[in-house]
Amino acid sequence: SQTIHQWPATLVQPVGSPLSLECTVEGTSNPNLYWYRQAAGRGLQLLFYSVGIGQISSEVPQNLSASRPQDRQFILSSKKLLLSDSGFYLCAWSVRQSYEQYFGPGTRLTVT
Amino acid sequence: AQSVSQHNHHVILSEAASLELGCNYSYGGTVNLFWYVQYPGQHLQLLLKYFSGDPLVKGIKGFEAEFIKSKFSFNLRKPSVQWSDTAEYFCAVTRTSGTYKYIFGTGTRLKVLA
Repeated sequence: SQTIHQWPATLVQPVGSPLSLECTVEGTSNPNLYWYRQAAGRGLQLLFYSVGIGQISSEVPQNLSASRPQDRQFILSSKKLLLSDSGFYLCAWSVRQSYEQYFGPGTRLTVT
Repeated sequence: AQSVSQHNHHVILSEAASLELGCNYSYGGTVNLFWYVQYPGQHLQLLLKYFSGDPLVKGIKGFEAEFIKSKFSFNLRKPSVQWSDTAEYFCAVTRTSGTYKYIFGTGTRLKVLA
């Protein structure tokens, strides 16, 4: 069966520090991959999605970037965190040509 | 731009009460519709989905939703809630024109009192 992993589960980082969140999927090949953020009191906002290695689409201009170095690995990064980057970050995957997405456990990021 | 509205942000019900959570979307074309649920400490998981056909869809745990195209709505219902239904519920929409990107609503926190 397919599983999706995210780490770390929680993270507290100072303003101006770098960020790297990792997401990996097991049990499937060539998935679509997605990064979402849920800020306090707001819904899930799509940040990035990827349909293949090295193929990243950005949905919202911001302080973050994403990379997909391997087929089942999706990384969310920042060079310098802002307070507004605090939130709950979710990774998701879907089978190609499918509308159903499957979500990871999420990372709660607090920028202080 | 596409958007999804969930007007009930917090709902508190007693066990056995009926539940209806509203979801409205703004997009004039054909859509796919989803309800996701996040139980405390668990992953976001699919509750039910609508792609086409019968506008009344049934999901897991006794939930159902009705797609009313003329009202751009996809409300979630359950006749009798249980304490274990305490969770956050999200409505989501995708277009059927080949994009697989979800637009989520802001979510509804449901608390069921035992």
